[in-house]
Amino acid sequence: DADVTQTPRNRITKTGKRIMLECSQTKGHDRMYWYRQDPGLGLQLIYYSFDVKDINKGEISDGYSVSRQAQAKFSLSLESAIPNQTALYFCATSDSSGGPDTQYFGPGTRLTVL
Amino acid sequence: KNEVEQSPQNLTAQEGEFITINCSYSVGISALHWLQQHPGGGIVSLFMLSSGKKKHGRLIATINIQEKHSSLHITASHPRDSAVYICAVRASGSRLTFGEGTQLTVNP
Repeated sequence: DADVTQTPRNRITKTGKRIMLECSQTKGHDRMYWYRQDPGLGLQLIYYSFDVKDINKGEISDGYSVSRQAQAKFSLSLESAIPNQTALYFCATSDSSGGPDTQYFGPGTRLTVL
Repeated sequence: KNEVEQSPQNLTAQEGEFITINCSYSVGISALHWLQQHPGGGIVSLFMLSSGKKKHGRLIATINIQEKHSSLHITASHPRDSAVYICAVRASGSRLTFGEGTQLTVNP
């Protein structure tokens, strides 16, 4: 079973709809991240969380919100989706316990906003 | 100017060729990562470097901290190596800054 899972894997929605993307991990990591990837651009950080009570904005947080429901779960919400939020979204996790702090990525969610 | 620049943006090679992908960055870093993104979109971490050189199978990653430069080499390339290779740097904390990626195509 994958260590970092994302649901849904694909979603098509309409402008103005509320969308939630979910991420779960079984790695026991304390740190979780949400990124978006647009064609021809590098990954951009939306939000990150260093533990359940710690939420931080990334480079492009406008139009997004997050919830860290538990150490293993980190959800990304688009309150009112717009077409320029069409992108590939990745969740990632890392461990702060003194190791190499490598980030482990989920499989991605392809979101299309019409 | 982006903090992380990769070259080339696109690379096409014949099976068996030696491949080099370059990454230059403009800030002081604590670590540099090389990632591989498969055609289906999934991202896998290949290496994390803070100095010197690492090798895993046919993949070799090097970093020169003074020159703010890293290279990813693939020896005896194979069509299954076709993917996007992404360089990312960590300046502080756990936040990564990503390059735009290098699209590698290896033809049989």
